[in-house]
Amino acid sequence: GDSVTQMEGPVTLSEEAFLTINCTYTATGYPSLFWYVQYPGEGLQLLLKATKADDKGSNKGFEATYRKETTSFHLEKGSVQVSDSAVYFCALIATSGSRLTFGEGTQLTVNP
Amino acid sequence: DSGVTQTPKHLITATGQRVTLRCSPRSGDLSVYWYQQSLDQGLQFLIQYYNGEERAKGNILERFSAQQFPDLHSELNLSSLELGDSALYFCASSTSDSSYNSPLHFGNGTRLTVT
Repeated sequence: GDSVTQMEGPVTLSEEAFLTINCTYTATGYPSLFWYVQYPGEGLQLLLKATKADDKGSNKGFEATYRKETTSFHLEKGSVQVSDSAVYFCALIATSGSRLTFGEGTQLTVNP
Repeated sequence: DSGVTQTPKHLITATGQRVTLRCSPRSGDLSVYWYQQSLDQGLQFLIQYYNGEERAKGNILERFSAQQFPDLHSELNLSSLELGDSALYFCASSTSDSSYNSPLHFGNGTRLTVT
């Protein structure tokens, strides 16, 4: 079945550091890929998405590129802020299904 | 604010009991999804309703049931509760019956603690 694998956390960075959170997936067909973010005490929010190969999703300084050849959708940000501290979830939805499949989540802590 | 409202925020109950979690979707959204988030299982899809009808079922136990009412709010019923049912239960809503093109909007969750 469909699955998403994220890099193990937690990740701790200093403010203004470069961020990469790895995400790889297994799915049949051509899934849509997403990154969701969960701030403390809140529900998940859509951060960005990409619906076809080589698409780049971007939002709030975060970027991720849909790489079909490596089945990856790594999240990057050039300069993180303390306010970026949260849990980040990679997710996919297959073309034929309606359910969103999530990775395990990666806890990011950014220190001033 | 996602526009999705979940009540209650916290629930503490004993093993063997039954509880009901409530979700009001965003205005205009016809689909409601339920997810369970636990430390050991991560985020697990439970069930989806679209305009009152069950549309998809995931890893939902037989002790759990859900429904969506004509006003589109949804309830998740958990019975014969076990310690392992302690988790954060999220409701999400979207406009269409597939989240392929219609992103999910999540509520803040109900934290269930079974003692």
